[in-house]
Amino acid sequence: SQWGEENLQALSIQEGEDVTMNCSYKTYTTVVHWYRQDSGRGPALIILIRSNEREKRSGRLRATLDTSSQSSSLSITAAQCEDTAVYFCATRPGGYKVVFGSGTRLLVSP
Amino acid sequence: EAAVTQSPRNKVTVTGGNVTLSCRQTNSHNYMYWYRQDTGHGLRLIHYSYGAGNLQIGDVPDGYKATRTTQEDFFLLLELASPSQTSLYFCASSGPGLGETETLYFGSGTRLTVL
Repeated sequence: SQWGEENLQALSIQEGEDVTMNCSYKTYTTVVHWYRQDSGRGPALIILIRSNEREKRSGRLRATLDTSSQSSSLSITAAQCEDTAVYFCATRPGGYKVVFGSGTRLLVSP
Repeated sequence: EAAVTQSPRNKVTVTGGNVTLSCRQTNSHNYMYWYRQDTGHGLRLIHYSYGAGNLQIGDVPDGYKATRTTQEDFFLLLELASPSQTSLYFCASSGPGLGETETLYFGSGTRLTVL
């Protein structure tokens, strides 16, 4: 799983497989954002899940949030080559401060 | 689509040099952020702001100053640049409150090299 100062994790899968990325956060948050970063670009939000939601779906994406264990996950169903990117979780530990996990580099091969 | 523009895209300076990175957002967002991203790592928060004249310290502020001159403009200043500040810098903005306004919108980044 990812957080803060750790190195970027790497996952490599085949097209059509399902994949899950995990995020363990250190401080209380009311929301977990998941961002995707394509090569050479800034991150872009792909899904957001609040503390009163256990699961959120958007197309082939599914995010979960367990506030008791301070962890979130992002799953991609039937991954495609265009899902190749770096994925980050981010939280709001207080006010409008937003901090990011260390990220997962996902490579989807044909 | 929310717009955040960073300049320059690339910058090379020498150790001890003076560098200013610029960020402008035209989203009418209250909040702006500066992050650095080192190769193989995530984004680390340097400074952030909730409006003109406001500045909040992030997690890695040493060696950086920032100034929010207007709602639109947020600058990151490196007054005595060091090689350890070689990195990719991102600016982001977001609105207040719940819903989509919590989304951070990022610029394309400035790659800074300190020789």
